[in-house]
Order: sequence, then C-alpha cells, then structure tokens
Amino acid sequence: DTGVSQDPRHKITKRGQNVTFRCDPISEHNRLYWYRQTLGQGPEFLTYFQNEAQLEKSRLLSDRFSAERPKGSFSTLEIQRTEQGDSAMYLCASGDTHYEQYFGPGTRLTVT
Amino acid sequence: GDSVTQMEGPVTLSEEAFLTINCTYTATGYPSLFWYVQYPGEGLQLLLKATKADDKGSNKGFEATYRKETTSFHLEKGSVQVSDSAVYFCALSGAGSYQLTFGKGTKLSVIP
Repeated sequence: DTGVSQDPRHKITKRGQNVTFRCDPISEHNRLYWYRQTLGQGPEFLTYFQNEAQLEKSRLLSDRFSAERPKGSFSTLEIQRTEQGDSAMYLCASGDTHYEQYFGPGTRLTVT
Repeated sequence: GDSVTQMEGPVTLSEEAFLTINCTYTATGYPSLFWYVQYPGEGLQLLLKATKADDKGSNKGFEATYRKETTSFHLEKGSVQVSDSAVYFCALSGAGSYQLTFGKGTKLSVIP
C-alpha cells in the first residue's frame, strides 16, 4: 500500500512567481481532492476530480489557481502570481467513495 | 452552509485519563460524520466514521456516536496513552456533497 504521495514536500517561492504541485493518488482510486490548510485551522476544500473530470471547485480557488488531472491518474495544482496569503499546506486526498478520503503528507508553501 | 464546531484546545491529560472532545455540526439533510487524526509530522488519517443517525464509529479504543437530535459527534476514549498525542479534527460530508468540511482541530497532549 503506497498511499497518496505529494511532491514537493516543501516549496519556498518569491511573491509573483508561479508554483506547481503534484499529487499521486492511490492507484485504484478514481476520486481526487485538493484542500488547503493554514496554521491553526482545519483543511478547506479546493477542488474535486472524478477520473479526469473536475466536478467541483470552491470559491477559494481564485483564477490564479488551476488544477488538472489529465489522464485520471496524477493531478497538478498550479498557483500563478503567488501572494503571501497563499502560504499554507496544500493537501491532496484520494478515495473510491466519498466516505473515506486518504490524505497525502501535503506540500508546505511559503511565499516570501 | 455546512459547518463543524469542535472544542478548542489545547487539551492536556494524564495517561489513562478519560477523553472527550466535543463536536457539533450544522448541515442540511443527513451528513456523514468523521474524526480524523494528525500525528506530529504525519498526514491526516481517518480515525472513525458514522454515516447515519445512531451509528457508532470506533477504532483504536476511540468511539463517537452520531446524534442527530443534538447534531453532535463527540469523540471519547476511556484511557488515553502518550501515543494518542495528536491533533483531532471533526469533519462532515454533506448529503450529495463531494467535499469534507472540517472543524478547526483540537490538539491533545497526553503526559506520562
């Protein structure tokens, strides 16, 4: 059982730069989710894929954010023109039902 | 919209003490309810779940009962161990929704 993996684990970038994160879900899971977690808060939903289709996006996902899952396997989350407020832990989860979502270790983004 | 309120921490207990972490929710319809745990340096892990009223979820000595009449899902354990030190998150998945809505988390520290 390889679990959900995310890359990189840490990213430090300067304000205004673009960043891209990758998530590899558990292989047999067709559902993939992105969440964002800031210090002292619970994770907040960003977006959901079923296979390659992006079925739901939160209002938190501004037009600077884009997510893809091109072949229904791995997913990428890109943030363009990063702002200091984007500093957070970005979590990916996968599952084969909505009742159980398995989370990866997260990518911690720091925007300086 | 859906929301989860859980007791604020941090909570510090001595080993073998009884644990209760309160969680109440607001949701339309009949959500599914979850407790997730985040151990230091690790990702979120599903601890237990309940998908309908009066269901009891249990795992690793932890229990929580889905109480529709009080819209609650309190987490309990009869005798905590040092290894239970972690942050605990209550969450719900609304009827027909893809996303998890989390509380802010409760940090538990168990001292020998």
